[in-house]
Amino acid sequence: TQLLEQSPQFLSIQEGENLTVYCNSSSVFSSLQWYRQEPGEGPVLLVTVVTGGEVKKLKRLTFQFGDARKDSSLHITAAQPGDTGLYLCAGGGSEKLVFGKGTKLTVNP
Amino acid sequence: DAGITQSPRYKITETGRQVTLMCHQTWSHSYMFWYRQDLGHGLRLIYYSAAADITDKGEVPDGYVVSRSKTENFPLTLESATRSQTSVYFCASSVSGPSAGYTFGSGTRLTVV
Repeated sequence: TQLLEQSPQFLSIQEGENLTVYCNSSSVFSSLQWYRQEPGEGPVLLVTVVTGGEVKKLKRLTFQFGDARKDSSLHITAAQPGDTGLYLCAGGGSEKLVFGKGTKLTVNP
Repeated sequence: DAGITQSPRYKITETGRQVTLMCHQTWSHSYMFWYRQDLGHGLRLIYYSAAADITDKGEVPDGYVVSRSKTENFPLTLESATRSQTSVYFCASSVSGPSAGYTFGSGTRLTVV
């Protein structure tokens, strides 16, 4: 069974701070995705990474896929209150995704 | 509007009753999925479908039934609801599978009393 461990589970920071959240597994994934979920809504896809070592940037968010395709990180620069939400990583299998339990981020003004 | 819609948004039902959650997508995506989200467990896959008339079990299928007679619809039925099935249920679709990413609906919050 493929499992994805996310850390930290909870993170509360002040506006303007930087942060990194991690997604780790003992399994190799063909692709890895990050989603953000806001209260009362479904997760929304932020990015997909498919190549070991790949780095993608989305404004103040930087996503990295590990060289061995077993882990990933999400770095947010100068966090804003609008970044508040549950961040989920998901690893791609042949027909379905495996989701981590998420990192709940709160950015205080 | 195009998209993926779930209904109802909220549902309260009694133990032992049958209840059906609806999911409709307008993109003709091949893949559709049902997840439940619970504190401490995250998103867990109940059933998925790779195409019309093709369905397969996920991680937690017991007590649930699905069908997919049309590409755009993927209803989830709880045959005899139990309190342990109180959860938030999300439907998702994907044009070609995991690498293409999922689009989720807004969820159905189900309470079994």
